[in-house]
Amino acid sequence: GESVGLHLPTLSVQEGDNSIINCAYSNSASDYFIWYKQESGKGPQFIIDIRSNMDKRQGQRVTVLLNKTVKHLSLQIAATQPGDSAVYFCAENPPSSNTGKLIFGQGTTLQVKP
Amino acid sequence: ETGVTQTPRHLVMGMTNKKSLKCEQHLGHNAMYWYKQSAKKPLELMFVYSLEERVENNSVPSRFSPECPNSSHLFLHLHTLQPEDSALYLCASSQGQSGEKLFFGSGTQLSVL
Repeated sequence: GESVGLHLPTLSVQEGDNSIINCAYSNSASDYFIWYKQESGKGPQFIIDIRSNMDKRQGQRVTVLLNKTVKHLSLQIAATQPGDSAVYFCAENPPSSNTGKLIFGQGTTLQVKP
Repeated sequence: ETGVTQTPRHLVMGMTNKKSLKCEQHLGHNAMYWYKQSAKKPLELMFVYSLEERVENNSVPSRFSPECPNSSHLFLHLHTLQPEDSALYLCASSQGQSGEKLFFGSGTQLSVL
């Protein structure tokens, strides 16, 4: 079946360092990918998305990389700050889905040490 | 604020109770969703409404009953729930029903005793 997974359930980084959160997806035909951040007591918040016709997309302090060859997605956060501490989810949108079936991973908890 | 408001934020109910969760979006979107978030599990899609019509019912038990009276409001009616239904229930909206770029509310933390 389809699944989206993250390599590590928890990632601990020093404030100021760069963070890399990884995600593996299983459906090679997925054409859209998205990252969400969920802070304690809040709902998931959109960070950045990317379509399958791109390999890289940059936002403010964040970069998403897509490697379709190995079905791997990563989120890079530059100069990680305490406010970046949260759970990060990736999700994919398989092409067979036309009714909102984003498939979510379990999430990686990012802990930022001061 | 994401533009999606959910009430109540917390709900404790017995297995024989009937309660409703409410969601309102102020983004002008035309699709709304209910998701269930349990500990240690990925987000699970429950229902999708597009232009007020239900387009997806993801094998959800009948003790969960959604209602979408207009494109801005979504309800989830609950009755005779089980303790394993305890979870965070998230509402989301999007422009179009493809599910891309969902905007989530803060959720209702439900505990069934």
